[in-house]
Amino acid sequence: EVQLVESGGGLVQPGRSLRLSCTASGFTFGDYAMSWVRQAPGKGLEWVGFIRSKAYGGTTEYAASVKGRFTISRDDSKSIAYLQMNSLKTEDTAVYYCTRDWGGYSDYWGQGTLVTVSS
Amino acid sequence: QLVLTQSPSASASLGASVKLTCTLSSGHSSYAIAWHQQQPEKGPRYLMKLNSDGSHSKGDGISDRFSGSSSGAERYLTISSLQSEDEADYYCQTWGTGMRVFGGGTKLTVL
Repeated sequence: EVQLVESGGGLVQPGRSLRLSCTASGFTFGDYAMSWVRQAPGKGLEWVGFIRSKAYGGTTEYAASVKGRFTISRDDSKSIAYLQMNSLKTEDTAVYYCTRDWGGYSDYWGQGTLVTVSS
Repeated sequence: QLVLTQSPSASASLGASVKLTCTLSSGHSSYAIAWHQQQPEKGPRYLMKLNSDGSHSKGDGISDRFSGSSSGAERYLTISSLQSEDEADYYCQTWGTGMRVFGGGTKLTVL
């Protein structure tokens, strides 16, 4: 059974940093790209970024709203994907979901972790 | 620009069928999409991938009551024999080189 478990969310002040983790199980993690998607309170889904598998260079892509501030990485030996968030803004407040990316779309979702950016 | 457009809301009666629409932006009518369901206070769940020819592949355990179809730039999700647990937000997703896009979502109310 595929499982994705996010962790690391919490309350953080504007301008500070936070790192989220996504621990995967039930599939060969290294074979898949992994995406992060967020959902602000009462709003729709917003793609944040993704990291390709090592077979495709392990490179990353980001939404314009987070480019230069957020960094996605992966540790295939631990089956973990990370989302490093720097220079956080109040508008980054959201539930952050980790997803398995299968050829462009998310075919499995985690339960999400809440990030609140507030002073 | 790759954009997905969804109606904000839809409603249908218990036991009836409903067809939700996701429209691809101009020049992108050949793109496949994915449909996701988000029940209240839950995380999203993948329903199916839907190709431009109407063929689709569903996620694990997705009921036969969910089906997809396509016409031009429109992608449809049909839910038959509506049940109370189908009341949820439904999102479509597509992708291009180095990007992923979500539609704004449709809130389905089961009357």
